[in-house]
Amino acid sequence: NAGVTQTPKFQVLKTGQSMTLQCAQDMNHEYMSWYRQDPGMGLRLIHYSVGAGITDQGEVPNGYNVSRSTTEDFPLRLLSAAPSQTSVYFCASSTTGGIGGNSPLHFGNGTRLTVT
Amino acid sequence: KQEVTQIPAALSVPEGENLVLNCSFTDSAIYNLQWFRQDPGKGLTSLLLIQSSQREQTSGRLNASLDKSSGRSTLYIAASQPGDSATYLCAATISGKLTFGTGTRLQVTL
Repeated sequence: NAGVTQTPKFQVLKTGQSMTLQCAQDMNHEYMSWYRQDPGMGLRLIHYSVGAGITDQGEVPNGYNVSRSTTEDFPLRLLSAAPSQTSVYFCASSTTGGIGGNSPLHFGNGTRLTVT
Repeated sequence: KQEVTQIPAALSVPEGENLVLNCSFTDSAIYNLQWFRQDPGKGLTSLLLIQSSQREQTSGRLNASLDKSSGRSTLYIAASQPGDSATYLCAATISGKLTFGTGTRLQVTL
């Protein structure tokens, strides 16, 4: 029972590089989302998806892209990394929608990204 | 702007003590409130979810309450253990938006 799996666990990028953070869940959840966690600021929503082929922006979407071609996978792409994107990134999923739904969110263990 | 506040930011208690963690939110039109636990270097684990129509939820030694009129939720931990040491976060769903607090870091000492 893997739940939500994120890869890689750690990543160091140089300014301007691009990369994709992977997220996969095996619970057949329709809702998936990406958050970043920064000290003193709580978790902030980057992008989310309510099903395959449907994505929308969250609170802090600039500099990130997402796609949802399957129910299981929700990758987050950094287009041109900047030091301000140094953070811990979490993927989360739920059955009926973390926004407005009454199902608990399930989180992955995070990706710690450093941009130099 | 919706705000979710958790005070204190850190708390240290001796093993066996009962304790209360606080969460306040700025909008009484709350849809639900979730409590999470986060261990160092790990993701968040959902502990309890209280719907707006409920006043409290219980799971083992944990009890969470919700008072919409005062904009407050509390997480009660009975008979604390060193294994309870972690950061506890609350998150409120209001107007379709889920807002997290910054958490209370709890340390239970022997």
